[in-house]
Amino acid sequence: DAKTTQPPSMDCAEGRAANLPCNHSTISGNEYVYWYRQIHSQGPQYIIHGLKNNETNEMASLIITEDRKSSTLILPHATLRDTAVYYCIVRVAVAGNMLTFGGGTRLMVKP
Amino acid sequence: EAGVAQSPRYKIIEKRQSVAFWCNPISGHATLYWYQQILGQGPKLLIQFQNNGVVDDSQLPKDRFSAERLKGVDSTLKIQPAKLEDSAVYLCASSPMVGSSEQYFGPGTRLTVT
Repeated sequence: DAKTTQPPSMDCAEGRAANLPCNHSTISGNEYVYWYRQIHSQGPQYIIHGLKNNETNEMASLIITEDRKSSTLILPHATLRDTAVYYCIVRVAVAGNMLTFGGGTRLMVKP
Repeated sequence: EAGVAQSPRYKIIEKRQSVAFWCNPISGHATLYWYQQILGQGPKLLIQFQNNGVVDDSQLPKDRFSAERLKGVDSTLKIQPAKLEDSAVYLCASSPMVGSSEQYFGPGTRLTVT
């Protein structure tokens, strides 16, 4: 699986959009970009994934650059409950394929 | 739908003692994973099962760690003897064999070795 680079920490004001970047310059053509988050004292939680088109669900939006070397996870209206560590992972989207976690970005949403 | 269950949630033991963790995956999920998460780091895969067979245990310290999934459902992870550096959260996750590529995680067991 390709390696990813994320900033170690970010702050965001409550109610504003949180934009979390991820670099994955060595991504292969068949690898998807996945985002998980881990709230304190909980297991990681799946957020969203995509291949090359932008994706949106009830939790977030995922913007992938045209060359697929970087992406941004957008939480449109961050709340205090979104304070967590966010992990960007690139992997082949095959059921049963393992996840390789990096250090992630610690997002702190402030009132 | 019930999530991944793990027990105990917390465990404190002395070094050289043994400990076991239990995981019950989501019903129908054929693939089960155990991850180790040291404080301040992302989770690291220890072992992956598909049904009751091992798919990947390359990161499992086999001199002290063992895991089994005898009937292809529940799983146990054991450490014997424990070392101070085994202090971590042990996460269990499951995923279906076909279809969704997402993994669903349990709340984890926090192990402290003193």
